[in-house]
Amino acid sequence: AQSVAQPEDQVNVAEGNPLTVKCTYSVSGNPYLFWYVQYPNRGLQFLLKYITGDNLVKGSYGFEAEFNKSQTSFHLKKPSALVSDSALYFCAVRDSGSARQLTFGSGTQLTVLP
Amino acid sequence: KAGVTQTPRYLIKTRGQQVTLSCSPISGHRSVSWYQQTPGQGLQFLFEYFSETQRNKGNFPGRFSGRQFSNSRSEMNVSTLELGDSALYLCASSLDRGNGYTFGSGTRLTVV
Repeated sequence: AQSVAQPEDQVNVAEGNPLTVKCTYSVSGNPYLFWYVQYPNRGLQFLLKYITGDNLVKGSYGFEAEFNKSQTSFHLKKPSALVSDSALYFCAVRDSGSARQLTFGSGTQLTVLP
Repeated sequence: KAGVTQTPRYLIKTRGQQVTLSCSPISGHRSVSWYQQTPGQGLQFLFEYFSETQRNKGNFPGRFSGRQFSNSRSEMNVSTLELGDSALYLCASSLDRGNGYTFGSGTRLTVV
């Protein structure tokens, strides 16, 4: 079975400061990892993914994430937060096998304070 | 190119009724997955369709069903609605490789 943990329900950061949203995962095979962002009353918007290759993945809106196989982590980062980054962030995983469903973490509400 | 289109955006139904939600995937995407999002349970996988066949199913009762048409459009149906079915239902489309998923804006279902 696959699982994702987002240990922080809420992350607050001041505008201009770096931000980190944490994610750890568990899969039986090689992981496909994703980050999505959700604004109120909207669907999920894709930020970035790790399938294979470089452990540092760069995505939309200045976000990046580092895949760490030994720690089974895929933390989302941004060097300088914007107030407009305030939203709900989801980490998701699927294994590289035949099952296609994503398993999501519980979400982290990011608030960037002006 | 057009994104994933879900209709309707909002629905209000009464307990015991049934409902049908629609999802049109990105052109060329043959895989459509459905997810339920609730405050208590988060995002949960319902089922996935590929080439008109259900390929994978989550842990939901048989009241939840779906289908996919030859043009890859998908519908999901919930029969005998319960209050707990109130949720945001999200559809995601993907190429068969399953290494990228694009989500629609969702259908907000309220059961009263």
